[in-house]
Amino acid sequence: QVQLQESGPGLVKPSQTLSLTCSVSGESISTAGYYWSWIRQHPGKGLEWIGFIFHSGSTSYNPSLRSGVTISLDTSKNQFSLKLTSVTAADTAVYYCASASGGYYPFDFWGQGTLVTVSS
Amino acid sequence: AIQLTQSPSSLSASVGDRVTITCRTSEGISSALAWYHQKPGKAPKLLIYDASSLQRGVPSRFSGSGSGTDFTLTISSLQPEDCGTYYCQQFNSYPLTFGGGTKVEIK
Repeated sequence: QVQLQESGPGLVKPSQTLSLTCSVSGESISTAGYYWSWIRQHPGKGLEWIGFIFHSGSTSYNPSLRSGVTISLDTSKNQFSLKLTSVTAADTAVYYCASASGGYYPFDFWGQGTLVTVSS
Repeated sequence: AIQLTQSPSSLSASVGDRVTITCRTSEGISSALAWYHQKPGKAPKLLIYDASSLQRGVPSRFSGSGSGTDFTLTISSLQPEDCGTYYCQQFNSYPLTFGGGTKVEIK
């Protein structure tokens, strides 16, 4: 069973970079076929898919998000990361990492989520 | 992007009631739809995938149906632990999108 755990600062200043890491256990992030995603949920709101990274390092991002989103892999640590540059208060949200068993599959495993607040 | 519209946005029902939530997509997605249940402060949990397939470990009182643009999640006999918010999600095309959620409360 795949287990995911988000980590990173809970408070980020406006215009700075939000950086989060998802540590994966129970599966290698290098395993072919798995898609590793970031999803966020604004306070009291619904879910928004941010993007995914494939085991090869290929990525896809939600075009509704402004530019400045980067998802990367660290295979040596079995982790993948999210960077969001030039954040504003609108980026305040709970950020989840999640996995899917393929590109056109649902999210079957989720991290517990981490709240990131953008404030000076 | 494919838009998903859930209804109702909230409902209140008694233990033992049959509950139905609908999800309509802005374009056809075949059966590429999932349903999730989220409790406050927790991550969503996958209930149903491919519109009608029950995820391992999910109680059989949950069922899904539909294809194309109209989908339904049914709880045959509502239990206290079923309170929370339910979301539909399409995985037919990118960007992946979610419905706005249906909040279920127990009377």
